[in-house]
Amino acid sequence: NAGVTQTPKFQVLKTGQSMTLQCAQDMNHEYMSWYRQDPGMGLRLIHYSVGAGITDQGEVPNGYNVSRSTTEDFPLRLLSAAPSQTSVYFCASSIGSSISGNTIYFGEGSWLTVV
Amino acid sequence: DQQVKQNSPSLSVQEGRISILNCDYTNSMFDYFLWYKKYPAEGPTFLISISSIKDKNEDGRFTVFLNKSAKHLSLHIVPSQPGDSAVYFCAASANSGTYKYIFGTGTRLKVLA
Repeated sequence: NAGVTQTPKFQVLKTGQSMTLQCAQDMNHEYMSWYRQDPGMGLRLIHYSVGAGITDQGEVPNGYNVSRSTTEDFPLRLLSAAPSQTSVYFCASSIGSSISGNTIYFGEGSWLTVV
Repeated sequence: DQQVKQNSPSLSVQEGRISILNCDYTNSMFDYFLWYKKYPAEGPTFLISISSIKDKNEDGRFTVFLNKSAKHLSLHIVPSQPGDSAVYFCAASANSGTYKYIFGTGTRLKVLA
């Protein structure tokens, strides 16, 4: 019962380094997204995808890149890490195609510290 | 401009009493709403949803109320239990819940034994 799997769970980066947070789901969901959670800010949408080959920006996309080459995977790339990107990152997925509303399923989170 | 607001950062309630968590939104296009519970060091987990065609939805101890004219929804937990202590997020979508949810900032609920 994997659901949404994120790796790594913890990561420390130096300013200017790049890295990729991996996300995979095994529920054949069309819709996938990345959120970041910061104190007092709640969950903010970074990027989302409504299907393989289709991505779009959320509320806070700057400094992040995404691609969706398969239905299962939705990696989030930090191009040049900055201390402001220290946060907890959550990947999520949902069926996406139902008109009756969808539940979003979240991964367990990736804790990223940029020093 | 925050489209989904949870104005109470924290709430303390005695075990057995009712917990009421509030959420306000500004975008009249929002038509589907979710509530999530989050424990420390875990991902958010789904609690309950409501569509704009309804004004109430119940699931066990959890009831969500939607007041479209006031752009306000609330989550009622009755009776509250210590295990309910967590951060609660409301989320809204303008696409009948198909995708792109906007989340509130969360309310930390503490249920006192």
